Amino acid sequence: DSGVTQTPKHLITATGQRVTLRCSPRSGDLSVYWYQQSLDQGLQFLIQYYNGEERAKGNILERFSAQQFPDLHSELNLSSLELGDSALYFCASSVAAQGSPYEQYFGPGTRLTVT
Amino acid sequence: AQTVTQSQPEMSVQEAETVTLSCTYDTSESNYYLFWYKQPPSRQMILVIRQEAYKQQNATENRFSVNFQKAAKSFSLKISDSQLGDTAMYFCAFKGRNAGNMLTFGGGTRLMVKP
Repeated sequence: DSGVTQTPKHLITATGQRVTLRCSPRSGDLSVYWYQQSLDQGLQFLIQYYNGEERAKGNILERFSAQQFPDLHSELNLSSLELGDSALYFCASSVAAQGSPYEQYFGPGTRLTVT
Repeated sequence: AQTVTQSQPEMSVQEAETVTLSCTYDTSESNYYLFWYKQPPSRQMILVIRQEAYKQQNATENRFSVNFQKAAKSFSLKISDSQLGDTAMYFCAFKGRNAGNMLTFGGGTRLMVKP
């Protein structure tokens, strides 16, 4: 158990819909990262938040957005869903924002299926 | 931008034998960190081993060790005395010190340990 929690574990929804994935980082970690794992794109970094502020953006679609709340949990919002958005979405957390050797601890992931 | 390449999509090894997984990367940074993550069928991402680029000594963690060749930008993982529980996808990952804290992953190597 990494200490990072993600809900829900599985999500099945239809094209065009909007979903919210939730992540709670390990106690004491200020940084939260979102990654997408799909069959065709592999593991890709989406976005990072540090202590409530956006710190880095990767290959995140405009239909996707995220935020980190004062209690440090984070939510990833996916809208106008397409079949190609079906993937495993991971949240990870770490102590620092940048330049540190500390590893990222991954949550169990949320499996999103768009039908 | 950093890229990470794992040239072996699939590998197999007999139980108790040794196997080496390859990883190469490309970066213009001089200070960075390299990781190997394991993803068993449960899909959980588990850190196996970490190497800091400024350290010349290769990292070891029990049966897992790396061969880090900075000039060649190579970072291979050696698993000794392979066990059935080592069956998993293995991802090589890069983290720079200057470009945020996100991980850039390779495409993965699927390792099957045979009894």
